[in-house]
Amino acid sequence: NAGVTQTPKFQVLKTGQSMTLQCAQDMNHEYMSWYRQDPGMGLRLIHYSVGAGITDQGEVPNGYNVSRSTTEDFPLRLLSAAPSQTSVYFCASRPDRARGYGYTFGSGTRLTVV
Amino acid sequence: AQTVTQSQPEMSVQEAETVTLSCTYDTSESDYYLFWYKQPPSRQMILVIRQEAYKQQNATENRFSVNFQKAAKSFSLKISDSQLGDAAMYFCAYRSRREYGNKLVFGAGTILRVKS
Repeated sequence: NAGVTQTPKFQVLKTGQSMTLQCAQDMNHEYMSWYRQDPGMGLRLIHYSVGAGITDQGEVPNGYNVSRSTTEDFPLRLLSAAPSQTSVYFCASRPDRARGYGYTFGSGTRLTVV
Repeated sequence: AQTVTQSQPEMSVQEAETVTLSCTYDTSESDYYLFWYKQPPSRQMILVIRQEAYKQQNATENRFSVNFQKAAKSFSLKISDSQLGDAAMYFCAYRSRREYGNKLVFGAGTILRVKS
């Protein structure tokens, strides 16, 4: 049971490049989310999903795209990277039935856009 | 929209002493959850403790306990017998029980330094 796996752990992009941050969980969790962490701002929600085929926008969705074709995977796509997207990105998941529980987080991806 | 405020950007505590981290939140709802997460230098987000709003009893997990004041919308974390391994960033978080998606709303975080 690996939990929530994020890849890569570190990435440097040039402005305008696109890339996909991968997130996979093996706990059969219905809920999955992407957050970004910036100094002094805590974690802010980018996109989330309540199940396969269902996604919705969070607080800061601009410049990002998601899809949820399977329960296990929830990739985050940066369409055209900008320096403002330099951040640490976290994927998180939790089961719908355990509504009192917090999310399980991946180990994060540190992204730098130059 | 709900907001979470952590007014202490940094705190320091002597090893073996007790420290309290503050958190206030704003919501119009009555049914929700509150959490404290720990983020050590490894960057991993670790759930420390959770509180259900309908429970009056304060949650406790070993050396970690909370003071939940629902009317005041306050949710402080007390760490007793502080250890060097407690040094980390601590985040307070809120989650509605009813809102679609049950999203977590985080505070800005408090850096805790533990002195030996």
